[in-house]
Amino acid sequence: EAGVTQFPSHSVIEKGQTVTLRCDPISGHDNLYWYRRVMGKEIKFLLHFVKESKQDESGMPNNRFLAERTGGTYSTLKVQPAELEDSGVYFCASSPRAGVSSYEQYFGPGTRLTVT
Amino acid sequence: QKEVEQDPGPLSVPEGAIVSLNCTYSNSAFQYFMWYRQYSRKGPELLMYTYSSGNKEDGRFTAQVDKSSKYISLFIRDSQPSDSATYLCAPAYSSASKIIFGSGTRLSIRP
Repeated sequence: EAGVTQFPSHSVIEKGQTVTLRCDPISGHDNLYWYRRVMGKEIKFLLHFVKESKQDESGMPNNRFLAERTGGTYSTLKVQPAELEDSGVYFCASSPRAGVSSYEQYFGPGTRLTVT
Repeated sequence: QKEVEQDPGPLSVPEGAIVSLNCTYSNSAFQYFMWYRQYSRKGPELLMYTYSSGNKEDGRFTAQVDKSSKYISLFIRDSQPSDSATYLCAPAYSSASKIIFGSGTRLSIRP
């Protein structure tokens, strides 16, 4: 079974540009999460999808960040326009539907975003 | 105050030693307590979880949660060089909710 995949693995963009990160969860996982780790800080929650619906987006830092999960499969996280403080590693995780080992969040390898 | 406090280390021990990793947390609403292991340039990997208070053992690993003192521990017996990684304590409020990560402890096992 394939794990969570993320694309790209690394992205370098200039301040003011737009970047779109993609996450493909484990097949059949209804829950999809985005987290990020900025330099020197803990991994922080951004948002949680259940299928295509946003269940919790309390961690989204501001309206420059837009997450979508069309059709309840893969998800994209767009940053527009990117700022220097957006640099960090963005992780995606997925877990089975609630009540069935839903605490088991499986993480992807992350996308390293560098904004110059 | 951070919701989860974890000593960042680094912690270096000889091969075969018993390792003790610890966290404290402030929110009594946490119900699930996970430990993740993260190798360099990789995503976190779920190692163990405990629901509410108590102990859980899996091979060389034992997780303990004491909700009365808000204290989380991970013990590694007969440590191996392959155990060298960053260990993240990660409580959650409910089974499918967001995870609150500690800062992680960098562990190095010397051959």
